Amino acid sequence: DAKTTQPNSMESNEEEPVHLPCNHSTISGTDYIHWYRQLPSQGPEYVIHGLTSNVNNRMASLAIAEDRKSSTLILHRATLRDAAVYYCILSVYNAGNMLTFGGGTRLMVKP
Amino acid sequence: EAGVAQSPRYKIIEKRQSVAFWCNPISGHATLYWYQQILGQGPKLLIQFQNNGVVDDSQLPKDRFSAERLKGVDSTLKIQPAKLEDSAVYLCASSLSQNYGYTFGSGTRLTVV
Repeated sequence: DAKTTQPNSMESNEEEPVHLPCNHSTISGTDYIHWYRQLPSQGPEYVIHGLTSNVNNRMASLAIAEDRKSSTLILHRATLRDAAVYYCILSVYNAGNMLTFGGGTRLMVKP
Repeated sequence: EAGVAQSPRYKIIEKRQSVAFWCNPISGHATLYWYQQILGQGPKLLIQFQNNGVVDDSQLPKDRFSAERLKGVDSTLKIQPAKLEDSAVYLCASSLSQNYGYTFGSGTRLTVV
């Protein structure tokens, strides 16, 4: 399985943008980049995913490096409810799409 | 749409007892997953179903864990006999197909004493 590397924790101030980095230097051409987040006492929640191009949705933006060896999840305006563990995961398209979770980044948001 | 339903929400059992968890996925979702999440760690995939067939169960400890998905809808995960190290949150997730995002349930927190 292709692996990802994320910082263990990050802090942000409320109402400021947050950039969560993820390194995936062994990514292959058919691997999709997924982001999920997990709030306390809840199951993980889908945030966004992409292959090569940057992606935007109502929750966040995903910026993918040109060589695809890294990506950044961007929360445009952090709120206290965004405090969670954020997981960056690679999946192989058409190969079961199984998601292998790592340790993730714990995001703390300060008021 | 209704989310992924799991029950019970909490369960406490003694070691060597058996326990079963139930999952009702989102209607129409063909793919169902069971994950185990130990405190402080990311979820670990135990088994994946596509309709009522097993796609991958390579990480399922088959000497004590079993899972089934009858009729391709609901699924049950069973542990028999339980060990102390089985204490964890058991998460069920479903997706429309293998190429779509997952929707997770809230999980069942198992404590083995």
